[in-house]
Amino acid sequence: QKEVEQDPGPLSVPEGAIVSLNCTYSNSAFQYFMWYRQYSRKGPELLMYTYSSGNKEDGRFTAQVDKSSKYISLFIRDSQPSDSATYLCAMSKVGGFKTIFGAGTRLFVKA
Amino acid sequence: KAGVTQTPRYLIKTRGQQVTLSCSPISGHRSVSWYQQTPGQGLQFLFEYFSETQRNKGNFPGRFSGRQFSNSRSEMNVSTLELGDSALYLCASSLVAGGDTQYFGPGTRLTVL
Repeated sequence: QKEVEQDPGPLSVPEGAIVSLNCTYSNSAFQYFMWYRQYSRKGPELLMYTYSSGNKEDGRFTAQVDKSSKYISLFIRDSQPSDSATYLCAMSKVGGFKTIFGAGTRLFVKA
Repeated sequence: KAGVTQTPRYLIKTRGQQVTLSCSPISGHRSVSWYQQTPGQGLQFLFEYFSETQRNKGNFPGRFSGRQFSNSRSEMNVSTLELGDSALYLCASSLVAGGDTQYFGPGTRLTVL
């Protein structure tokens, strides 16, 4: 079993839809949770960063962490065609250990 | 501030050859991590360097090696290339060792024929 599970998709939604992207994990020691966005032929860029449980909002993006269920989510409101990309979840433990990435979910937002 | 730069952006090699990839982190960042990204395996951690020392290492064979220089620039070397080494190699920099906020470069696309 992988430490981090993420559905690779693809996920196709119409413009303006609310998108929900999710990851589950098995290691309860993870404390830092990140979401990266990766456009084709580019490196990943950090979108959201959360420590421990709770919600964090940044514009149209909301990250949620539920440590009791070992489940994290990224919500995108009013999705735009420019949001079409691969979204990777990532997590790490306190103490400077390596970051573990999910497989990434390919998202297509149709105009 | 300039971002993470990687050179070259594209490489074509044949089996058995060796290759060296270069990464310049964001100014002031002292930690550099290397990842291999393939469609089947996703993003896999290779190693992390901080202050010229390897701090963490992923589960890759010894053919994969790296180093970091005093100016924090890092190189990654793959010897005796195999077809399965074809991938996007990404470098990420962060301020501190094991930094959770990593900034990625555009990657080097390596094709092994």
